Amino acid sequence: QVQLQESGPRLVEPSGTLSLTCAVSGASIISSNWWSWVRQPPGKGLEWIAEIHHSGYTNYNPSLNSRVTISLDKSNNQVSLKLSFVTAADTAVYYCAREFYWRFDPWGQGTLVTVSS
Amino acid sequence: EIVLTQSPGTLSLSPGERATLSCRASQTISSIYLAWYQQKPGQAPRLVIYGASSRATGIPDRFSGSGSGTDFTLTISRLEPEDFAVYYCQQYGDSPRQFTFGPGTKVDIK
Repeated sequence: QVQLQESGPRLVEPSGTLSLTCAVSGASIISSNWWSWVRQPPGKGLEWIAEIHHSGYTNYNPSLNSRVTISLDKSNNQVSLKLSFVTAADTAVYYCAREFYWRFDPWGQGTLVTVSS
Repeated sequence: EIVLTQSPGTLSLSPGERATLSCRASQTISSIYLAWYQQKPGQAPRLVIYGASSRATGIPDRFSGSGSGTDFTLTISRLEPEDFAVYYCQQYGDSPRQFTFGPGTKVDIK
């Protein structure tokens, strides 16, 4: 059974860089699949951020493209996300999820990141 | 970019009633690229339907999905107390490769 667990700083200062990791268990991130990050501002809907293939190929939401980097930590079986130059609008619950044939399943429990000084 | 519109925004129903949720795409999409998720407060989304009409593992058969082209529907035949939640539709587009979600439909208790 694949399980995902997000972790990282819960508070980031404006103009700083948000850094999160997603620990994957029950599957190897390099054996198959795409892996994605999705976020949800408080009280709002879901927004796809980025994806990475086990080969390392990446794809980003055009609205965030210039600020986002997704990567694989193969030694720790983790997927990482970095979002630079954050503002209050980047305050959200950040989820990692496995992509499986154009759908997201399963999801991590999510982690709330607040951008504030 | 394909935009998904969901209606209604809120659906107020009683347990035992039938819920019909709509998801409309701004362009034709392949049915295999359409999924539905359920999200309860404080929880991560949970896959309910994929490929427009296939139930995900562990989803009861009172949930069904249908549709094609630009119009898709999620139906809950008889609402159980645990079904009251927000439901999102999601599509995958391959030119360019990206994912979009609808704004969600909240199903709440009348």
